[in-house]
Amino acid sequence: QKEVEQDPGPLSVPEGAIVSLNCTYSNSAFQYFMWYRQYSRKGPELLMYTYSSGNKEDGRFTAQVDKSSKYISLFIRDSQPSDSATYLCAIWAGNMLTFGGGTRLMVKP
Amino acid sequence: SAVISQKPSRDICQRGTSLTIQCQVDSQVTMMFWYRQQPGQSLTLIATANQGSEATYESGFVIDKFPISRPNLTFSTLTVSNMSPEDSSIYLCSVGTGHNEQFFGPGTRLTVL
Repeated sequence: QKEVEQDPGPLSVPEGAIVSLNCTYSNSAFQYFMWYRQYSRKGPELLMYTYSSGNKEDGRFTAQVDKSSKYISLFIRDSQPSDSATYLCAIWAGNMLTFGGGTRLMVKP
Repeated sequence: SAVISQKPSRDICQRGTSLTIQCQVDSQVTMMFWYRQQPGQSLTLIATANQGSEATYESGFVIDKFPISRPNLTFSTLTVSNMSPEDSSIYLCSVGTGHNEQFFGPGTRLTVL
């Protein structure tokens, strides 16, 4: 079992939809939770960073962490074609980041 | 955040040769990391390169194949040695901040023929 599991997609939604991206993890020692966005042929870009259970909002993006269920989510409201990218969850424990496999999102105009 | 550049951005190499990838950061950072991302896959950590100490390699990666230098707090190199087609991948450097965030460079796309 991988330490961080993520549905690979692809996930295709119409413009304006609410998108839900999810990851599960197995190690309860994981402390910090991040979401990265990666456009094709680019490096990952840090979107959201949180370390506690609950919600964190930044514009159209909301990161949610449920430590009791070992489940993290990223919600995108009013999705735009420019949101089309691969989204990677990443979890920090100790001295390294562990990445999920990434979910490819396509937002159609 | 930090601004990170990598050279080269891409290269096509012959098997058996070596390629050195450079990573430059616009500010001094203690922690630097090298990752590999194979086509359609997620990121795999190759090694952690902290200034003033030997690089720490993850399982499956060895210094003879991926030697790393970290001469100062703004620069690092990763060499891919004796390349084979299986080494075709994107190689990414990243830097860590005191808040456990990591920021990534644009990557080096390597194709080995």
